Amino acid sequence: AQRVTQPEKLLSVFKGAPVELKCNYSYSGSPELFWYVQYSRQRLQLLLRHISRESIKGFTADLNKGETSFHLKKPFAQEEDSAMYYCALMGDMRFGAGTRLTVKP
Amino acid sequence: GAGVSQSPSNKVTEKGKDVELRCDPISGHTALYWYRQSLGQGLEFLIYFQGNSAPDKSGLPSDRFSAERTGGSVSTLTIQRTQQEDSAVYLCASSLSGWGNTEAFFGQGTRLTVV
Repeated sequence: AQRVTQPEKLLSVFKGAPVELKCNYSYSGSPELFWYVQYSRQRLQLLLRHISRESIKGFTADLNKGETSFHLKKPFAQEEDSAMYYCALMGDMRFGAGTRLTVKP
Repeated sequence: GAGVSQSPSNKVTEKGKDVELRCDPISGHTALYWYRQSLGQGLEFLIYFQGNSAPDKSGLPSDRFSAERTGGSVSTLTIQRTQQEDSAVYLCASSLSGWGNTEAFFGQGTRLTVV
C-alpha cells in the first residue's frame, strides 16, 4: 500500500540552526513527492516538488530511494519558517500527518 | 475567482443536524479533492473527483458523509446527523489534472463546530 509517514508531529529549533523535517514513503513504483506548507492563517500551499529539484525559500528536498525518504532541509532556519509542513505522494493525494515547525528567536 | 473558494467560512451546528459545505474550484480544473483537518490528525483524505469518472470515496469516514460535483465544477460535501467528532476544518482543493500529477490549490477551509 502507498503510504507517507512523517514521524515528528512537533519540531522546534532556534533561529539560524539547521532544520530537517522527515518524510518516509512506501510506494512500489517510481515515486514523485511534494512538500506543502501552511503558515498561520494562510491556505495550504505547495512548497516544492521532487521533480523540479528546486530550492524554495532556502528549502531543499532530495529523494533517497534507498532509504525511501524525502526529507525537507534548510541550513539556517528563520522565524518566518514556522508553519505546518505536509509531505504528499504523487499518484496518491494522501498526505502525511504533518510536522509543526517552530523556529524560536 | 482567482482561487478555490469555500463557503461558509465557519459553521456552528447542533448535534444531529445536517450540514452542507460548498467548494468552488478554479475554473478549468478537472480534479477536486476534499480533506478534513483536525488537531492531532493531520490532513485526512475524504473524496476525490476527476472529470466525469466515478469519484474515489474511499476516504469517507462513514455513510453520513457524501459529496457531489455538479457539472464538473462546484462540489458540495454533506454531513448528515452531525456528531461532535465531525468538528474540524474541511478543506477543498483543485488541480488542473488528476491525482497528484499537478499542483493542488487549496481553499481557505470551512471550520465546522458541532455543539
